[in-house]
Amino acid sequence: QKEVEQNSGPLSVPEGAIASLNCTYSDRGSQSFFWYRQYSGKSPELIMFIYSNGDKEDGRFTAQLNKASQYVSLLIRDSQPSDSATYLCAVMGSGGGADGLTFGKGTHLIIQP
Amino acid sequence: DTGVSQNPRHKITKRGQNVTFRCDPISEHNRLYWYRQTLGQGPEFLTYFQNEAQLEKSRLLSDRFSAERPKGSFSTLEIQRTEQGDSAMYLCASSLGVRLHGELFFGEGSRLTVL
Repeated sequence: QKEVEQNSGPLSVPEGAIASLNCTYSDRGSQSFFWYRQYSGKSPELIMFIYSNGDKEDGRFTAQLNKASQYVSLLIRDSQPSDSATYLCAVMGSGGGADGLTFGKGTHLIIQP
Repeated sequence: DTGVSQNPRHKITKRGQNVTFRCDPISEHNRLYWYRQTLGQGPEFLTYFQNEAQLEKSRLLSDRFSAERPKGSFSTLEIQRTEQGDSAMYLCASSLGVRLHGELFFGEGSRLTVL
């Protein structure tokens, strides 16, 4: 059973600070890793993906991957109130589309103005 | 709007009735996925189509669930003899074949309430 674990929060961060979201996964064969943002009552929206160890930056977002520790993180710099949402970590196994994405339960992030 | 379209957006039904949801993916996307999401949980993978071929269906929750994608265009998800536990948001997503399988564009979902 593949598992993706996230702290459900809520994680409260002051506006302008760095928000750090973490995720661990159980399947060592996992190939690629995704962060989705989901606003209340809306569907998930892809923010970033990463598949190599290290950091990947895109604007205010940085994804970090450590396959040895089976750990993925998302940093949001200069947090804005519009970043308040649930952030879902998702993992794709080696089977590609037939595996489907395994999602965590999500971390509820609140950016305090 | 050229995003993923799902219909109906809301469906209320009585236990034991059959329901069908439709998904129209982004036009050039050849991959289509169905997920289910319940309150406080992340989406749960149900099934996957590449063009018209259903390449994974073992994750459908029971034999009451079935999905089709005739001609590789729109897809339908049918739930027969609905149960209260089927109440959830059913999400359709599509992606382009040259992209990673996890790079999904989700529709707004079809919310099912079984009374």
